[in-house]
Amino acid sequence: AQSVAQPEDQVNVAEGNPLTVKCTYSVSGNPYLFWYVQYPNRGLQFLLKYITGDNLVKGSYGFEAEFNKSQTSFHLKKPSALVSDSALYFCAVLNAGNNRKLIWGLGTSLAVNP
Amino acid sequence: DAGITQSPRYKITETGRQVTLMCHQTWSHSYMFWYRQDLGHGLRLIYYSAAADITDKGEVPDGYVVSRSKTENFPLTLESATRSQTSVYFCASSESIGGRPEAFFGQGTRLTVV
Repeated sequence: AQSVAQPEDQVNVAEGNPLTVKCTYSVSGNPYLFWYVQYPNRGLQFLLKYITGDNLVKGSYGFEAEFNKSQTSFHLKKPSALVSDSALYFCAVLNAGNNRKLIWGLGTSLAVNP
Repeated sequence: DAGITQSPRYKITETGRQVTLMCHQTWSHSYMFWYRQDLGHGLRLIYYSAAADITDKGEVPDGYVVSRSKTENFPLTLESATRSQTSVYFCASSESIGGRPEAFFGQGTRLTVV
């Protein structure tokens, strides 16, 4: 069965430090992978995606993610965290033959402390 | 304005009443989705639609009805609201296969059933 796991419910990091939000997936075939961010009382905003090509993907707000096929992971990273990065982050995977339905992780709450 | 809009943003209704949540997108995306977001469950797909007049069930369709007579609209109806349907509902859209696969979300509707 296809699935996405975000093993950490919450991540705490100090402002200015690097951050990592973890995501692992299980799908058949080649995965399309996504990260979204949700600020309080807002909808989800698309951050970045991996379809094919370079394993390091750059996205909005200085975020990047590294696709690792052998470890079936797609961790979200940022070199220097900002307080304004505090939000809920969702990883999702799409199997290209699956009618555009996304499979979602349960989300990771990121808290960046001043 | 271009984008995806949901209405109303907030709704309080009584148990047993019918309520309809509206979703409108201006991109002419083929795919549209309805999700509910609940603490501890992440995002769960209720219904989705691949095109006008084509809809299909997601993970949690019971108690909900959708229609899609026009590409741009995808209303979600709760036929007889129950307290368990208290949730935040998100509509999303994405292009058809071959286009950009990422989904774009509305701002959400917070529904309370009393």
